[in-house]
Amino acid sequence: DVKVTQSSRYLVKRTGEKVFLECVQDMDHENMFWYRQDPGLGLRLIYFSYDVKMKEKGDIPEGYSVSREKKERFSLILESASTNQTSMYLCASSLLVGPLGGYTFGSGTRLTVV
Amino acid sequence: DAKTTQPPSMDCAEGRAANLPCNHSTISGNEYVYWYRQIHSQGPQYIIHGLKNNETNEMASLIITEDRKSSTLILPHATLRDTAVYYCIGRNAGGTSYGKLTFGQGTILTVHP
Repeated sequence: DVKVTQSSRYLVKRTGEKVFLECVQDMDHENMFWYRQDPGLGLRLIYFSYDVKMKEKGDIPEGYSVSREKKERFSLILESASTNQTSMYLCASSLLVGPLGGYTFGSGTRLTVV
Repeated sequence: DAKTTQPPSMDCAEGRAANLPCNHSTISGNEYVYWYRQIHSQGPQYIIHGLKNNETNEMASLIITEDRKSSTLILPHATLRDTAVYYCIGRNAGGTSYGKLTFGQGTILTVHP
């Protein structure tokens, strides 16, 4: 079964720490995405990538960066974690062109910054 | 991306059909209508999508009005496991958006025994 795997289900980090969230997909998809989900705000796009070493800012990129060195792996980096980055983080992938099949999401990483 | 409007919540009896409406009056000609759902504590799951024809798969049916301003997702025989938040999304299949999805608030569907 094809899947998107996020490295951690739950994570607790301290304010000011550098945090890495890893995402791996096995579907050979070109597009990969990072969202965060907060109560009352829905899913908001942080960054996305349409190819290796390519990245585009989403709607809320501030405080985050990303890395895509290999097609299957897309990392979200919190340079200096803050309490307002406590959230559920969701990774997704999709084919580059056309609407075929939609996105496949990972199970999410619930990050708490204390 | 088209703005979509969904009711915040709906109830359905187990075994009955669940009909979830979505308004997307500003949808453009090349935007598809996508439906996803999110069960508590899991990532969203793709259900179905369509452009202008009605679509059916093993999970659901999608009915799109002729003017494409609204659509309805139908779960023909709802079960307790269908309790989830359902998102209706307009997605540009091309252009510079690279197909990114913008999620709204969705509809919380609760299926009762």
